[in-house]
Parts: sequence; C-alpha cells; structure tokens
Amino acid sequence: AQSVAQPEDQVNVAEGNPLTVKCTYSVSGNPYLFWYVQYPNRGLQFLLKYITGDNLVKGSYGFEAEFNKSQTSFHLKKPSALVSDSALYFCAVRSRLAGKSTFGDGTTLTVKP
Amino acid sequence: ETGVTQTPRHLVMGMTNKKSLKCEQHLGHNAMYWYKQSAKKPLELMFVYNFKEQTENNSVPSRFSPECPNSSHLFLHLHTLQPEDSALYLCASSQDWENSYEQYFGPGTRLTVT
Repeated sequence: AQSVAQPEDQVNVAEGNPLTVKCTYSVSGNPYLFWYVQYPNRGLQFLLKYITGDNLVKGSYGFEAEFNKSQTSFHLKKPSALVSDSALYFCAVRSRLAGKSTFGDGTTLTVKP
Repeated sequence: ETGVTQTPRHLVMGMTNKKSLKCEQHLGHNAMYWYKQSAKKPLELMFVYNFKEQTENNSVPSRFSPECPNSSHLFLHLHTLQPEDSALYLCASSQDWENSYEQYFGPGTRLTVT
C-alpha cells in the first residue's frame, strides 16, 4: 500500500522569507510524486511533479521540490514567499506499479506581510 | 481549472431528493475522477473512469452512482443522501489514469444535505 504524510497541518512564514512544506511517502518501487495547490473555493491546481532524472524539480510560480530517495521525501520549497502563496498544499504519490494516486492530508500555508 | 467545468457550483438538497452533478473536461483526456473533500478528512477518491470504463470504485455507498457516457463527461447521481455526505465534490481528469500524468481539477460542487 502507498501512503503520504504531510507532518505539518499549518506552516506560517513572513513574506520574503524562504518556505518549505514537507512531504514524505511510502510506496513500492519508484514513485511518481506531485504537488498541488488549492486556493479557497477552488479545485486543486497542479504545481510540479517528479518522474525521473534530476532530483530538483522546478514548477509553477517559482516553486521547486527536491526528491530524496533515501529519506523518501519530496519537500516543496520557494526561496521568497509571497502573501499570494497562502493556500492549501497537497502532496501526492503514485506507484509506477499502480494507477491510483494517494494524496496527503494537506498543509495550510500562511504568508504574512 | 478552466479545462474542467463542474455544475452546479452549489447544491442544497434534502435527504429524499435525487440530484446529479455534472463534470465536463475540454482537455482531450481519457481518464476522469470523482473525489470527495470534507472539512475534517483528506481528499477521498470515489470513482475512476478510464476510456469510459470504471476502473476504480473506492467502496463508495450505492447512494452515489457515477455515469460516464463519453471521455469528456462525467456525472454523479445522488439519491437518499445523508447529512454526512455534505462536502465539496471535485471532478478531475488526466491524460490516462496510469503513468506520470498529473490531474486537472474542476472548481467543485459544494453540496449541503439537509
């Protein structure tokens, strides 16, 4: 069985500071990993994904994530946070052996001016 | 988000009513999904259709009945719901349901069961 853990329900950062939203996973074999963002009253929006190759993945809106196989982590990062980054962030994993994606519980990011 | 549309955006229904949620994707994708998102629970996958065939039913109660007439349209028929079914229902699509394809989500239908 595959699973995703987002250990922090809430992350607070000041505008202009770097941000990190954590994600760890458990899956059989090599994973596909995804980050999505959800703004209030909206559906989820794809940010970035890891398939293979370079462990550092760059995505939309200046976000990036680093795949760490030994730590089974895929943390989302941004060098300088914006107030408009405040939203709910979901990490998801899919085994290459199975079609279904598993989503984490979500982390609420609040960026304060 | 504009690639996947959902109607209605808000729905209030009594426990004895029958209603349907509609989802349409304009992306040429082959897989479509229904998710339930509650305030206190993570995103729950309900159904998956790939090339119009149901490939996943995640132990969803029979009061929820999906229909996928073609690869672009997905319905969720609702009948005799319970108050605990109140949630945001999200539709999504992807190129297909395997491999590395990301999902594109609609804005959701906010359902309230009274």
